[in-house]
Amino acid sequence: DTGVSQDPRHKITKRGQNVTFRCDPISEHNRLYWYRQTLGQGPEFLTYFQNEAQLEKSRLLSDRFSAERPKGSFSTLEIQRTEQGDSAMYLCASSPPQGGYTFGSGTRLTVV
Amino acid sequence: AQSVAQPEDQVNVAEGNPLTVKCTYSVSGNPYLFWYVQYPNRGLQFLLKYITGDNLVKGSYGFEAEFNKSQTSFHLKKPSALVSDSALYFCAVRGDTGGGNKLTFGTGTQLKVEL
Repeated sequence: DTGVSQDPRHKITKRGQNVTFRCDPISEHNRLYWYRQTLGQGPEFLTYFQNEAQLEKSRLLSDRFSAERPKGSFSTLEIQRTEQGDSAMYLCASSPPQGGYTFGSGTRLTVV
Repeated sequence: AQSVAQPEDQVNVAEGNPLTVKCTYSVSGNPYLFWYVQYPNRGLQFLLKYITGDNLVKGSYGFEAEFNKSQTSFHLKKPSALVSDSALYFCAVRGDTGGGNKLTFGTGTQLKVEL
């Protein structure tokens, strides 16, 4: 399978706990994006990496959120001290330099 | 800033009839436009894109979209709808200048195709 892989598919956590999601992009894609999608809304941009460099962060990405892409391969998105408002689908996408975005199946987070 | 408007929350159409899902956009520079489809609890599946060239773009599963620069629109169309087309459809845009490489999405249109 050469698509974008996200793990886990579902995560239920208690408020205040930390969670970490992983995204494995298509291997030849140097760009990686994280989006958040809440019910009834379109995906909202969170952050963007080109290789290992984090080039852009949305204001939606509060200081409780951190993303990394060590070595320019897989990426992790960590949420500290989760809140109920963090419940959403977290989508990862990757693209080659010439564009074209491939999305993963997403990680659905439920904070209880 | 770039933005996308999908004016219809839901579109209902009978199987076999043509369908149109509307999208208008605002962006700096030339637009790169995309349509994605989402099935329940799944990620986004790419349908088609407009970068440059012919205003009529053909994509997956018989879908097509028409780019209209003067009306800043990129409506999704299909000549004959199938029940299996029922899903959530998103239009997205990015500009070729500024704005990084991020896509900005509309709020989505739920398509319901009935027998």
